[in-house]
Amino acid sequence: NAGVTQTPKFQVLKTGQSMTLQCAQDMNHNSMYWYRQDPGMGLRLIYYSASEGTTDKGEVPNGYNVSRLNKREFSLRLESAAPSQTSVYFCASSEVGGPQHFGDGTRLSIL
Amino acid sequence: KQEVTQIPAALSVPEGENLVLNCSFTDSAIYNLQWFRQDPGKGLTSLLLIQSSQREQTSGRLNASLDKSSGRSTLYIAASQPGDSATYLCAVGSARQLTFGSGTQLTVLP
Repeated sequence: NAGVTQTPKFQVLKTGQSMTLQCAQDMNHNSMYWYRQDPGMGLRLIYYSASEGTTDKGEVPNGYNVSRLNKREFSLRLESAAPSQTSVYFCASSEVGGPQHFGDGTRLSIL
Repeated sequence: KQEVTQIPAALSVPEGENLVLNCSFTDSAIYNLQWFRQDPGKGLTSLLLIQSSQREQTSGRLNASLDKSSGRSTLYIAASQPGDSATYLCAVGSARQLTFGSGTQLTVLP
C-alpha cells in the first residue's frame, strides 16, 4: 500500500525560483491537505481541498498556490521562493470524519 | 482560534513504565481528535482517532481519552518499549482541518 506519495523528497532552491511539490494518494479519499512543519511552530495548514475541483486557504497560504488535478493528485506551487519558505512540507488525505494520512514529506531549503 | 498545548515537551522514562501524555485545547466545539507519532526525519503515523461523541479509543498498548468539556485528551502508553521513542502529536479537528500541538518528545530508555 503506497498511501500518500510526495515528490521530491529533498530540494534546494535559490531565492526567486519556482517549483511544484507533487502529492498523490491511492486511498480514494475526497479530502487532501498541504501542511508545513517548522521548529517551534508545529504543523500549520497551507491549503486544503475538500473534494475534487475545490480548494480553500488554510492558516498560512501566502506565497503558495495549489491545484487539485484530479481526485488522486494535489500539488503545491511556490511561484517565487523566499528563504522564509524553507520548511518540511507534508501532504495528507482523508475521508470526511476519518483520520488524516500523511506522506513522508518534502524537505525544502531556499538559499 | 483553536489552540492546542501538549505538556510535557519532553519525557524520558525507563523501559516498562506506563506513561501518560497530555493534550489540552481551548475550543471545546471539536469534530474529532487525532494522536500521531512522528519519528525523526519521517512523516506522521496516525495512532488513534476519537470522534467528538466518543470518550476513548484503544489500540494495542495505546489508549486515548477525550473530555471535551474540560478541553483535554490523554494518551496512555502501557508497558513502554524503546521502540516507542518518538514525538507524539495531538491534533484537534474541525469539520475542515486539524490544529496541531507542538508535540511531546518521548524517550524510552532500555
